[in-house]
Amino acid sequence: LAKTTQPISMDSYEGQEVNITCSHNNIATNDYITWYQQFPSQGPRFIIQGYKTKVTNEVASLFIPADRKSSTLSLPRVSLSDTAVYYCLVGDNDYKLSFGAGTTVTVRA
Amino acid sequence: EAGVAQSPRYKIIEKRQSVAFWCNPISGHATLYWYQQILGQGPKLLIQFQNNGVVDDSQLPKDRFSAERLKGVDSTLKIQPAKLEDSAVYLCASSPWREDNTEAFFGQGTRLTVV
Repeated sequence: LAKTTQPISMDSYEGQEVNITCSHNNIATNDYITWYQQFPSQGPRFIIQGYKTKVTNEVASLFIPADRKSSTLSLPRVSLSDTAVYYCLVGDNDYKLSFGAGTTVTVRA
Repeated sequence: EAGVAQSPRYKIIEKRQSVAFWCNPISGHATLYWYQQILGQGPKLLIQFQNNGVVDDSQLPKDRFSAERLKGVDSTLKIQPAKLEDSAVYLCASSPWREDNTEAFFGQGTRLTVV
């Protein structure tokens, strides 16, 4: 399994864009990049998945450079309710969904 | 569609007692996961099932933890005997197996306190 590295924490203010970069130098050819969000007292929730270039949905955007050794999750115009832990995972469709420590994002008013 | 159901939501037991958790995945989901999440840490995979077969149980403490998936649907996770360090939230997740899919759906979890 490819190891991922992401910042432990990030602070932001309401209305700002938050970008979380994840490093995955050993990503394999078949691996996807997936991000999950977890609020306190809840299970993780899938946010977005990508393989290359850019993916956008109603919640976030995922930017993946050509070498795929890193990826950036972008949360546009965050609100207080976006305060959560964000996890970057790398693997194929049979992967073990291995979570690291994640990035705690705190949004302040 | 209904989500992943887990029960109980909370459980308090004394060390050396046994406990069981139940999970009902989303209908039709072939893959089922059990995770242990200790406060302040990310979820740790305990066991992964594909239908009723075990794909990965490398991090399951087999001397005290056991899990089964009946007929490839519901699953139970058991701890016997429990230790203080087993205090955690136990999360169940399920996923439909598709070639281009890495999305799993998580239940609310069971918070276990061992005293």
